[in-house]
Amino acid sequence: DVKVTQSSRYLVKRTGEKVFLECVQDMDHENMFWYRQDPGLGLRLIYFSYDVKMKEKGDIPEGYSVSREKKERFSLILESASTNQTSMYLCASSSAEIYSGNTIYFGEGSWLTVV
Amino acid sequence: GQQLNQSPQSMFIQEGEDVSMNCTSSSIFNTWLWYKQDPGEGPVLLIALYKAGELTSNGRLTAQFGITRKDSFLNISASIPSDVGIYFCAGLNMDTGRRALTFGSGTRLQVQP
Repeated sequence: DVKVTQSSRYLVKRTGEKVFLECVQDMDHENMFWYRQDPGLGLRLIYFSYDVKMKEKGDIPEGYSVSREKKERFSLILESASTNQTSMYLCASSSAEIYSGNTIYFGEGSWLTVV
Repeated sequence: GQQLNQSPQSMFIQEGEDVSMNCTSSSIFNTWLWYKQDPGEGPVLLIALYKAGELTSNGRLTAQFGITRKDSFLNISASIPSDVGIYFCAGLNMDTGRRALTFGSGTRLQVQP
């Protein structure tokens, strides 16, 4: 079974703190994604990566950065957390041939509260 | 970025009723996917659609890829309590070069036993 593991399920951080959200997948997938989920807004793409050290901005990259030093690991970084970044963060991965119908697999999510 | 309009936002139905939800877009998509998210979990794929006009079933679920490639619907027949959750549509357009899904805002389904 494909497994996408997010290191923290629940975090509480203070405004201004640097926050790292880690994601690891065990299927040798090329593509990895970070989404945030907010009520009524669905899932919005923050960043994605289609190869090691490669990254592309999604729809809401402001206030975030990412790191992909190894194929299996994709980290989301909040340089200076703010209260409007309180949300559920979802990591996902897929093989490169997503167009052939290979699905995207999601982690269980990380609930971040910034106080 | 691209946007998907998903409706309804929420539904409260009786067990045994049929459910229908849909997504529309101003942009064309080459692939439509439907996901379900249980409370506290990540979304799980229900149905994938790859051709305009395609109609696909997965048990009590049926989904269609609109002919214009700008819409899709999901039907659930004879709902049961475990159908409770949030349903998301998602689209992919490889012609844009964007290799990531665009999601709708979700339909929250509640089923009264």
